[in-house]
Amino acid sequence: QKEVEQNSGPLSVPEGAIASLNCTYSDRGSQSFFWYRQYSGKSPELIMFIYSNGDKEDGRFTAQLNKASQYVSLLIRDSQPSDSATYLCAVGDNTNAGKSTFGDGTTLTVKP
Amino acid sequence: EAGVTQSPTHLIKTRGQQATLRCSPISGHTSVYWYQQALGLGLQFLLWYDEGEERNRGNFPPRFSGRQFPNYSSELNVNALELEDSALYLCASSLAGGQGIHEQFFGPGTRLTVL
Repeated sequence: QKEVEQNSGPLSVPEGAIASLNCTYSDRGSQSFFWYRQYSGKSPELIMFIYSNGDKEDGRFTAQLNKASQYVSLLIRDSQPSDSATYLCAVGDNTNAGKSTFGDGTTLTVKP
Repeated sequence: EAGVTQSPTHLIKTRGQQATLRCSPISGHTSVYWYQQALGLGLQFLLWYDEGEERNRGNFPPRFSGRQFPNYSSELNVNALELEDSALYLCASSLAGGQGIHEQFFGPGTRLTVL
């Protein structure tokens, strides 16, 4: 079992719809959770991070964290064609030798 | 504020050669991370440097090595190149404290091709 799992997709949604991206992790000691967006041929770009259970909203993006169920999700409201990219979930811990582990990403396509 | 920079953008080498990749972090960031992203695959953690010291490394052979300089810039060296080393090498930086604490900001990457 991978440490961080994401549905590879592709996930296809129509323009204006809500896109829901999910991520599960295996290490219960995980403390921090990040979502990155990566356009084809480009480097990852941080979208959001969340540390506490519950929801965190930033514009059209909402990150949701449930530590008891060990999942984190990203909702994109009013999806735009420019949101079409691969979304990477990263999970980290805060030990001295901690590391962030990235999922393989979910490819999202928003159709006009 | 300047972002993370990497050089060169592209690098072409032949099997058995050595490659050196360079990274300059965002000003104020002391942690530098290296990742390998092979075509169609996820990010694989290579190395983490903080305050000039190697703090952690991923499951890569010793021919992948690096260092961090006093100005916090970093260098990744890959010796005895193999065909499967062909990938996008990404450098990221963050504030001190480790990968798990602070968000990482990525550079544009170096595309290494081994022929």
